Amino acid sequence: DAKTTQPPSMDCAEGRAANLPCNHSTISGNEYVYWYRQIHSQGPQYIIHGLKNNETNEMASLIITEDRKSSTLILPHATLRDTAVYYCIVRVVGGFKTIFGAGTRLFVKA
Amino acid sequence: AAGVIQSPRHLIKEKRETATLKCYPIPRHDTVYWYQQGPGQDPQFLISFYEKMQSDKGSIPDRFSAQQFSDYHSELNMSSLELGDSALYFCASSSYRQVEGAYEQYFGPGTRLTVT
Repeated sequence: DAKTTQPPSMDCAEGRAANLPCNHSTISGNEYVYWYRQIHSQGPQYIIHGLKNNETNEMASLIITEDRKSSTLILPHATLRDTAVYYCIVRVVGGFKTIFGAGTRLFVKA
Repeated sequence: AAGVIQSPRHLIKEKRETATLKCYPIPRHDTVYWYQQGPGQDPQFLISFYEKMQSDKGSIPDRFSAQQFSDYHSELNMSSLELGDSALYFCASSSYRQVEGAYEQYFGPGTRLTVT
């Protein structure tokens, strides 16, 4: 069911920007891109979402390509506490079903 | 800020027993979701409710049932438990009343169910 593809793991140095890519080449015009993360066995945490335009909040930035077939989550200054599994999810506008794919395990190293 | 509350946090049951997990959404949230996360696996969507009606269904076994009550809390009932049901069960809530049709889900801390 997963409509997204992410690298299984990535490393990032503490204090540097972490850029996490996601491929969603079959995305429809009425589907949002969401990002969540899960730290160890805690409940997943919402990070950001977008439809067409780039978005920024206090946690991260989301860059969506013009054709909407891929996106990048940017953590501008990664800290050790950002070590987690990051999930990119596409979901139809107004929809409820949320499919978590394999995600990217991000390791932030000192 | 108030968060999603799940109870119990830990539950140990034997095979063929039943279990009931409870979820209390963030105040004024009208939608709840249930997820199952097995050891080393990613969260799997089970079912969701909006305004006390089932809004979508995922890979929920027939042995499981759920409902959302008038106060918006939800319960996941699991019968004839199997060893493979051992997992973390997360509940999430959201507010559907957004014009753009997008809404973030807020997850609870989960209930760890162990079936022996």
